Amino acid sequence: EIVLTQSPTTTAASPGEKVTITCLASSSVSNMYWYQQKSGASPKLLIYSTSSLASGVPDRFSGSGSGTSYSLTINTMEAEDAATYYCQQWSSNPPTFGSGTKLEIK
Amino acid sequence: QVKLLQSGAALVKPGASVKMSCKASGYTFTDYWVSWVKQSHGKSLEWIGEIYPNSGATNFNEKFKGKATLTVDKSTSTAYMELSRLTSEDSAIYYCTREGPGSSFDYWGQGVMVTVSS
Repeated sequence: EIVLTQSPTTTAASPGEKVTITCLASSSVSNMYWYQQKSGASPKLLIYSTSSLASGVPDRFSGSGSGTSYSLTINTMEAEDAATYYCQQWSSNPPTFGSGTKLEIK
Repeated sequence: QVKLLQSGAALVKPGASVKMSCKASGYTFTDYWVSWVKQSHGKSLEWIGEIYPNSGATNFNEKFKGKATLTVDKSTSTAYMELSRLTSEDSAIYYCTREGPGSSFDYWGQGVMVTVSS
């Protein structure tokens, strides 16, 4: 199965700061998906097909990448963005998720 | 609006089975695959398997074959997952999700916490 390695594991950002989370795949994938999970809540889809914003997601979120390297960027950090973020692939079975990046507000 | 409403938390004994439900609303249930995802305490997400409500076709992560059984009731737009021969390793939160754009999981239930303890 494809292993997704996220970095950093934990990070903190000040309001207004730019944040980038990276996801490296053990084999090439055609697309990446990103989810946000706040404490005690279910995951929420943020980005699908690498760079498309899910419905209702603020445009400060963006995704990019190809092959084995993908990233999620928050252009200007807001307090409500404090959460754990997961990448996910389904280019091959089974679909797999990264180990998560915990983002805290400074 | 799309909603997936899952059944309540379960406390079960080792070796027993548990069956949980996921009631869909706000969309045509038979048009979308439903997946189930496991999240162990404080850990990441694992895909268990999927079911297509229209036909009942299923696909599983090899790791969960023999552990999970997926079914649906089209008349009530409800998906079910049964986990058998439970051990402490099965203690986790289990989510049902709808498969959406591309190969994404675009809507999630609120999760079912399963605790396996004697």
